[in-house]
Amino acid sequence: DAGVIQSPRHEVTEMGQEVTLRCKPISGHDYLFWYRQTMMRGLELLIYFNNNVPIDDSGMPEDRFSAKMPNASFSTLKIQPSEPRDSAVYFCASSPGLAGVETQYFGPGTRLLVL
Amino acid sequence: QKEVEQNSGPLSVPEGAIASLNCTYSDRVSQSFFWYRQYSGKSPELIMSIYSNGDKEDGRFTAQLNKASQYVSLLIRDSQPSDSATYLCAVRGSNDYKLSFGAGTTVTVRA
Repeated sequence: DAGVIQSPRHEVTEMGQEVTLRCKPISGHDYLFWYRQTMMRGLELLIYFNNNVPIDDSGMPEDRFSAKMPNASFSTLKIQPSEPRDSAVYFCASSPGLAGVETQYFGPGTRLLVL
Repeated sequence: QKEVEQNSGPLSVPEGAIASLNCTYSDRVSQSFFWYRQYSGKSPELIMSIYSNGDKEDGRFTAQLNKASQYVSLLIRDSQPSDSATYLCAVRGSNDYKLSFGAGTTVTVRA
């Protein structure tokens, strides 16, 4: 099993630029989660999907952030325009979502630095 | 008030000792509880899940859950230098699949 795949692994961009992060969940998993991790705020849930439908986006910090899941094997998190305070590690995780087996499997993360 | 709180670290223990990590949560009807381990620069990985009151053992790890006290703990027996990492407590809410994570406790095992 390839696990959750994220790209790019590292991204350095300048303030004001658009950033797109990509995620491929584990095949057969119905749930996909986007997290952000910083030293100050820890691991925060941004948004999650069930069967490609956004269920809860209450963690999305502001309108500059958007996420899509056009099909079961692909999701994107977009930041436009990016700001230095968006610098963080962004994790994608997936879960089969079955009761009792709802553990989440994390991808390797994308380290974003906005200058 | 934070939803999930963990005992502040860092926690330093000698090799072979028991490391004890604590976590409290605010949502009384939470159903599922998890401990994730995160090595520096890596992603979180699940090491334990627990759903019922009592103890659950898996190798050198023991998770303990007390829903009445809204408390979950993790014991690491015979600590090894490879256990040096940050341990994240996560709690699943009662009505959805969201996990709320604590800030983490960093454990250092001294050889």
